[in-house]
Amino acid sequence: AQKVTQAQTEISVVEKEDVTLDCVYETRDTTYYLFWYKQPPSGELVFLIRRNSFDEQNEISGRYSWNFQKSTSSFNFTITASQVVDSAVYFCALSEAREGAQKLVFGQGTRLTINP
Amino acid sequence: GAGVSQTPSNKVTEKGKYVELRCDPISGHTALYWYRQSLGQGPEFLIYFQGTGAADDSGLPNDRFFAVRPEGSVSTLKIQRTERGDSAVYLCASSLLGGNTGELFFGEGSRLTVL
Repeated sequence: AQKVTQAQTEISVVEKEDVTLDCVYETRDTTYYLFWYKQPPSGELVFLIRRNSFDEQNEISGRYSWNFQKSTSSFNFTITASQVVDSAVYFCALSEAREGAQKLVFGQGTRLTINP
Repeated sequence: GAGVSQTPSNKVTEKGKYVELRCDPISGHTALYWYRQSLGQGPEFLIYFQGTGAADDSGLPNDRFFAVRPEGSVSTLKIQRTERGDSAVYLCASSLLGGNTGELFFGEGSRLTVL
C-alpha cells in the first residue's frame, strides 16, 4: 500500500531563515512519481514539482530545492531565504505509474508560517 | 476564466439532502479528477475521468456518491442522502493529457457542510 508521511504538522520561522519540509513515502512499486504542492489560504493546490522514481538528481528552482533519496524513501523540500509569501500548507504526494492516472496519495501536510 | 472553476464555493445542507457540486475544467483538458479534503488532512482521490467516461472510480466511498461528465468538459459530483461525515472540501482538478503525464491544475474547491 502507498503511504506518505509528513511528520511536521506545523513549522514557524522568521523571514529569511531556511526551512526544510520532510516527506517520507512507502510504495511497493518500482516506478512512481513524487510531487510537492502548495495550498495557500485560497484553497487551490499549486503544483511545485514532479519527480519520477528513476531520477534521483536533486533539483533547484530559485529559492526552492528538493532532495530525493531513494535509499531512505524521502523527498524533502527546502526553501532558502524564506519570505512571508511562502506561508501556506505544503503537501507531498505519491502516484504509482501502474495506476495509469494521477491518483495522488497525499501526506497530511505541513503548515508553514513565515513571520516578518 | 483561465483556471478550473468550481461552484458553489460553499454549500450548507441538512443531513439526508441531495447535493450537486460542479466543476468546469480548463478548456481543452481531457482528464478531470475529483478529490476530497477533510479538515486538517491531505486530499483523497475520488474519481478520474478521461473524456466522458469514468476511467477510475475506485475512490468513491460508497454508492451515495456519483459523478458524471456527459460532454467531456463540465463534471458534476452528486451526493445522495448526505451525512455529517461527508462534510469536506471537494476539489476538482484537470489535466491536458490523461494517464500519468501532465500537470494537474486544481480549483479552489467546494466546501460542503452537512448539518
